[in-house]
Amino acid sequence: QVQLVQSGAEVKKPGASVKVSCKASGYNFIAYGISWVRQAPGQGLEWMGWISTYNGNTKYAQKVQGRVTMTTDTSTTTAYMELRSLRSDDTAAYYCAREPTDWAHLDSWGQGTLVTVSS
Amino acid sequence: DIQMTQSPSSLSASVGDRVTITCRASQSISIFLNWYQQKPGKAPKLLIYAASSLQSGVPSRFSGSGSGTDFTLTISSLQPEDFATYYCQQSVSTPYTFGQGAKVEIK
Repeated sequence: QVQLVQSGAEVKKPGASVKVSCKASGYNFIAYGISWVRQAPGQGLEWMGWISTYNGNTKYAQKVQGRVTMTTDTSTTTAYMELRSLRSDDTAAYYCAREPTDWAHLDSWGQGTLVTVSS
Repeated sequence: DIQMTQSPSSLSASVGDRVTITCRASQSISIFLNWYQQKPGKAPKLLIYAASSLQSGVPSRFSGSGSGTDFTLTISSLQPEDFATYYCQQSVSTPYTFGQGAKVEIK
């Protein structure tokens, strides 16, 4: 069955970086893109960006552009999201999700990774 | 960016009720509209994509309709497991923005 398993919770200081992993299994990894969505405590969902697992092309939300890098490792079927220069308002649950290439929708999600930014 | 506005933001309903949630886009998005359900502490779950296509495994009491700027998610007969927050998302152009959510609570 399709599974996306994310790395564990992180606590970081302001200005630091965090790298969240998303291990995919149960499907052809390069046939689907990976999107990243975050959710601040008690708030709604925020789309951060997308990466093609086929060729590495990316699209980022302007809000995090310049601070975020999304990558994939096809040998281990793992996607990564690195966020730099962390601020307190980056405190959120970060989700990876699978995106079919024929229609942009998120049909399978990871369990989420809580990133807490605090001094 | 395309703004997505859901209404109501919250509602109280009873088991068996018909529930309707609307989502309005700030510009036409054709049928590039998805609906997700999220329960507390859990990842979102896809319900509907392309405005009206039911995701595999999702009960048929969920349905979606609309095109252009106005969309609707309907739950024909609310079940106890349906109490959750529902989000719409446009996917016509990045950033793929979400609505603010609609929380369905028990009356």
